[in-house]
Amino acid sequence: QVQLKESGPGLVQPSQTLSLTCTVSGLSLTSNSVSWIRQPPGKGLEWMGVIWSNGGTDYNSAIKSRLSISRDTSKSQVFLKMNSLQTEDTAMYFCARKGIRRGGSFDYWGQGVMVTVSS
Amino acid sequence: DIQMTQSPASLSASLGETVTIECRASEDIYNGLAWYQQKPGKSPQLLIYNANSLHTGVPSRFSGSGSGTQYSLKINSLQSEDVASYFCQQYYDYPFTFGSGTKLEIK
Repeated sequence: QVQLKESGPGLVQPSQTLSLTCTVSGLSLTSNSVSWIRQPPGKGLEWMGVIWSNGGTDYNSAIKSRLSISRDTSKSQVFLKMNSLQTEDTAMYFCARKGIRRGGSFDYWGQGVMVTVSS
Repeated sequence: DIQMTQSPASLSASLGETVTIECRASEDIYNGLAWYQQKPGKSPQLLIYNANSLHTGVPSRFSGSGSGTQYSLKINSLQSEDVASYFCQQYYDYPFTFGSGTKLEIK
């Protein structure tokens, strides 16, 4: 079955770079698109960006200058790198699959990884 | 960016009742809308896509409707397991944007 799992450091210092990994199973990254979505504590969801099945990327313009999404198809992994972290980047970070024949909705999500930005 | 205004922010209803949650887009999103349910400490789960299509395995008491800029999620015969937060998401245009959420509780 389709599964996604995020991993990465729970604590990052201000101004540092965040690196997260989304490991997928039950699907091929060459025929599926994966997005990163984050949720600050007690708040709503923010779409960050997507890596398409062809390897192309699109980013939320609000954070585009700080964000990079890449992948290693042989390892079934998608990577997020975001630099110049600030306290407002403290959030739960999710990776999610764009649904097949579900428009732009997300039909499978990882469990999320909590990232705290603090010195 | 397309802004999604979701209401109400919180909702309290009795078991068996019918509840409705609304989302208004800042421009026409041509039915490019999804609804999600998120229980505390869990990731969101897809309920509805394309404004009115029920996702696989979702109980039929959930339904979506709307067009243009106005959309709604209706839950019939409220069950205890429906206690959660609900979010709308537009995917008509980038960046994809979400509503601020509705927290549903049982009276």
